[in-house]
Amino acid sequence: GAGVSQSPSNKVTEKGKDVELRCDPISGHTALYWYRQSLGQGLEFLIYFQGNSAPDKSGLPSDRFSAERTGGSVSTLTIQRTQQEDSAVYLCASSFGTGLYEQYFGPGTRLTVT
Amino acid sequence: AQKITQTQPGMFVQEKEAVTLDCTYDTSDPSYGLFWYKQPSSGEMIFLIYQGSYDQQNATEGRYSLNFQKARKSANLVISASQLGDSAMYFCAMREAGLFNDYKLSFGAGTTVTVRA
Repeated sequence: GAGVSQSPSNKVTEKGKDVELRCDPISGHTALYWYRQSLGQGLEFLIYFQGNSAPDKSGLPSDRFSAERTGGSVSTLTIQRTQQEDSAVYLCASSFGTGLYEQYFGPGTRLTVT
Repeated sequence: AQKITQTQPGMFVQEKEAVTLDCTYDTSDPSYGLFWYKQPSSGEMIFLIYQGSYDQQNATEGRYSLNFQKARKSANLVISASQLGDSAMYFCAMREAGLFNDYKLSFGAGTTVTVRA
């Protein structure tokens, strides 16, 4: 079946604007994760959803970041009043559930804040 | 505290030779999983291999094998018969329940592998 998809693949925005990043997980995967990868760095956890619920928001860098998931499927990560330090690749992953399953990653959204 | 440590920022390997990528981890949870991902220059994260903390045997997947030494908290990846297409960044990651039972992945800093012809 289809893998994890993300849109847009690239986003260039001006400092201070809001952006929305979208993730469409693998059908039937109940767990969804957002990570951020800054240039040449490892991945940093942002937020996790089990169904539509986000019990762990500890990784969100600031209150400018928020995320939601609807229908146990598509998720949107919103960054308000973007800053240059928000420039990174935002990766979404989904998993059959919580537990020791593989997480399958989408291709990512490369965000550049000018 | 760093949960995953990859001490080799970059490695060069000759085509057809084997290469070992180091990974050590830190956890007090008895149940956890260790993963290796490959990230080529295209940016996608490709799952390579998995080792569960209770698995008795080392995981193998084609040319990839995981040298799991539980007492040393080590999970090194071995790539045999390297190919030019193996040139990429390799990440070691660990999944554990955590405070919220979220089983998020904790990643190491990565090792860049360059295969020479």
